[in-house]
Amino acid sequence: NAGVTQTPKFQVLKTGQSMTLQCAQDMNHEYMSWYRQDPGMGLRLIHYSVGAGITDQGEVPNGYNVSRSTTEDFPLRLLSAAPSQTSVYFCASSSPFNTGELFFGEGSRLTVL
Amino acid sequence: AQTVTQSQPEMSVQEAETVTLSCTYDTSESDYYLFWYKQPPSRQMILVIRQEAYKQQNATENRFSVNFQKAAKSFSLKISDSQLGDAAMYFCAYRSLLRGNYQLIWGAGTKLIIKP
Repeated sequence: NAGVTQTPKFQVLKTGQSMTLQCAQDMNHEYMSWYRQDPGMGLRLIHYSVGAGITDQGEVPNGYNVSRSTTEDFPLRLLSAAPSQTSVYFCASSSPFNTGELFFGEGSRLTVL
Repeated sequence: AQTVTQSQPEMSVQEAETVTLSCTYDTSESDYYLFWYKQPPSRQMILVIRQEAYKQQNATENRFSVNFQKAAKSFSLKISDSQLGDAAMYFCAYRSLLRGNYQLIWGAGTKLIIKP
């Protein structure tokens, strides 16, 4: 049971570099989302998608892009990394046919120097 | 807009004792889900327990139970017989049942410390 798979688990970037955090789920979930979690804080929604071809902004979208070309994949792109984007990132998915909860990946720790 | 408030940034409990974590929320909706998630040091987000608002009976999962007070908009988590493995951040979350609304509204979390 793979569930939600995020890669990489750890990444160090220099300011200005770009990268993509990958997220894949094998549960045929319509809804996928990206959160960031900063030290001592809760989760803040970056972007989300309710189906292939549909994406929307969350609470903190600046500096991040997403796309949803398939039901399974929802990559998060940092076009020009900044130290303020140092955080732990979580991908999560959900379906209208389950009991409402989000299923999370294991998280990706990103450090921007 | 809905909000979720966890007023206890940190709680501590002696191993084998019982502890209650508080959560209040604000909504004008009548149907919704409420959740408690656990985040241990491994940082994996783990669902502890869920409650459907239309159910009057409080949810229970082994040593974890909730006290759901719909009128008071309160959703506390009780952990009985606390174990060292219960040490974690605990997050309360709300989800609307409106069509197409999948988003969870999160509290800021409570850090639970278990004293051996």
